Amino acid sequence: QLQLQESGSGLVKPSQTLSLTCAVSGGSISSGGYSWSWIRQPPGKGLEWIGYIYHSGSTYYNPSLKSRVTISVDRSKNQFSLKLSSVTAADTAVYYCARGQVKWFYLDYWGQGTLVTVSS
Amino acid sequence: DIQMTQSPSSLSASVGDRVTITCRASQSISSYLNWYQQKPGKAPKLLIYAASSLQSGVPSRFSGSGSGTDFTLTISSLQPEDFATYYCQQSYSTLYSFGQGTKLEIK
Repeated sequence: QLQLQESGSGLVKPSQTLSLTCAVSGGSISSGGYSWSWIRQPPGKGLEWIGYIYHSGSTYYNPSLKSRVTISVDRSKNQFSLKLSSVTAADTAVYYCARGQVKWFYLDYWGQGTLVTVSS
Repeated sequence: DIQMTQSPSSLSASVGDRVTITCRASQSISSYLNWYQQKPGKAPKLLIYAASSLQSGVPSRFSGSGSGTDFTLTISSLQPEDFATYYCQQSYSTLYSFGQGTKLEIK
């Protein structure tokens, strides 16, 4: 059974960089046919796609965040990461990592989510 | 960008009711439409992919239909555990986007 687990700082100061990692267990992040995504959800609001990375290393980012986002993969640790720079209070959200199926791109496995608060 | 609009935004229903939630895309997305269920404090759960394919382990009372721009999620007979928020998600363009959500509440 595939499992994803987010980790990282739960409190980030404004203007700093948010960094999160998603550890994948029960399967290899290098397997073809999948993408690895980050999605966020501000408190009480809906879901927003941040971006994703394919096993090949190709990345796609939400244009509204593209200038501030980097998603990368560490195959040796079977994990992928999110960095979001120059954060503001508007970046306060629960951040989820998830696996996507390449053919129809549906998200079939999700982490439990981690709350990141941007505050001084 | 492809905009996804769900209706209604909220819905009150009773156990045993048949419920339909609609999702409309701002342009044709073929069958690249997925549905998720989210309960408070939990990650979303995949219900339906490719507009009408039921994800493994999801009860058969859930069904999806549609293609092009108009899609529906139907719950044939509401169960107590179905009260949650439902999201559609298009995967036609590389910028994948979600609908704003439909909150299903107990009447």
